[in-house]
Amino acid sequence: EADIYQTPRYLVIGTGKKITLECSQTMGHDKMYWYQQDPGMELHLIHYSYGVNSTEKGDLSSESTVSRIRTEHFPLTLESARPSHTSQYLCASSLTGQPQHFGDGTRLSIL
Amino acid sequence: GENVEQHPSTLSVQEGDSAVIKCTYSDSASNYFPWYKQELGKRPQLIIDIRSNVGEKKDQRIAVTLNKTAKHFSLHITETQPEDSAVYFCAASISGGYQKVTFGTGTKLQVIP
Repeated sequence: EADIYQTPRYLVIGTGKKITLECSQTMGHDKMYWYQQDPGMELHLIHYSYGVNSTEKGDLSSESTVSRIRTEHFPLTLESARPSHTSQYLCASSLTGQPQHFGDGTRLSIL
Repeated sequence: GENVEQHPSTLSVQEGDSAVIKCTYSDSASNYFPWYKQELGKRPQLIIDIRSNVGEKKDQRIAVTLNKTAKHFSLHITETQPEDSAVYFCAASISGGYQKVTFGTGTKLQVIP
């Protein structure tokens, strides 16, 4: 089924660890996005990509990095996790920029 | 850049009543306005959208209106049901080219049975 998939759904990990959040979509969308969202709060764009080898930082400053080597894959990496990184991370994709299709998110908790 | 303000932040209505959520945007170049519903613990899902060449759009119990001159748009939900309880986000973007979507701060709607 064409969809956008995020793994893991939940991650609890200690400070200083390297983390990679996976995001894959099977819809052939060129545009992909990462948002950070605290529960019930607004979505903050932290990274976006308009295609392979294209990545840009979003409106909210983030210590994370992203890569886009394949159209369907847009992983987000934190080199050294800190408690301030605790949040929900939502991946989204779109064909034209609108509308955006979201994944189920990764709830990240850094101890 | 674009700035989207959304009001109210919380809204409680009795089942069967109507609910209205309002948003304003700052960039007059914005021409696409989607609304997303996010149920507790779930992903945001597009429920309705409107483009700047249209003043109103309806889909069953939900409708969206757009006033380009005033730069505001609203979501209207009629005959509310408990399953309408969720957080609703408005957004604005510019169609075409390398555009980003700017989201509002969200409205938590509670429908009381």
